[in-house]
Amino acid sequence: TQLLEQSPQFLSIQEGENLTVYCNSSSVFSSLQWYRQEPGEGPVLLVTVVTGGEVKKLKRLTFQFGDARKDSSLHITAAQPGDTGLYLCAGGNNDMRFGAGTRLTVKP
Amino acid sequence: GAVVSQHPSWVICKSGTSVKIECRSLDFQATTMFWYRQFPKQSLMLMATSNEGSKATYEQGVEKDKFLINHASLTLSTLTVTSAHPEDSSFYICSAPKQEDTEAFFGQGTRLTVV
Repeated sequence: TQLLEQSPQFLSIQEGENLTVYCNSSSVFSSLQWYRQEPGEGPVLLVTVVTGGEVKKLKRLTFQFGDARKDSSLHITAAQPGDTGLYLCAGGNNDMRFGAGTRLTVKP
Repeated sequence: GAVVSQHPSWVICKSGTSVKIECRSLDFQATTMFWYRQFPKQSLMLMATSNEGSKATYEQGVEKDKFLINHASLTLSTLTVTSAHPEDSSFYICSAPKQEDTEAFFGQGTRLTVV
């Protein structure tokens, strides 16, 4: 059972466009994590959000945690081909579960 | 950042044999480790939570007698796929949190192919 609903599951855009990925749940999380995974490798942590309403920026990536700590979003500005990959949100209470993932393709 | 090492990175085995995958936390102690399975183009599905010194907690639908988990020390958890079948072929990944409710660090994953 996946507690985290992630959307969209697939996204193909042109270089330079902006995009937002959403991660929603009916559960409250003490923290949510965003990961990026390359084929054949384990996920690599991008950010952890802890406080409701928190916004964190990582270069062109902006992460937001909902006020109620049930949802989060990842916004990428001016996407580049190097951003191509699988983006995963994860959270849990005493465990860690993943959303379905968003497979992003940025075309040059 | 913390380091979690998973071994082997890939393995090919014959149907009916057993395969052991190791997950080690190299620079911290992990009382809990998580084991995931990932099929192609899908997300990670939690299989079980490994607890040091006690029995693992398995997710619904995961056979505990088929996927044996041992967490005998604070730095090592093992997953043994017993009597492997081709449908067990998948990418298996472990992770370990340094502290409760913080991010987890992932192993490199193990690509299991059962022929």
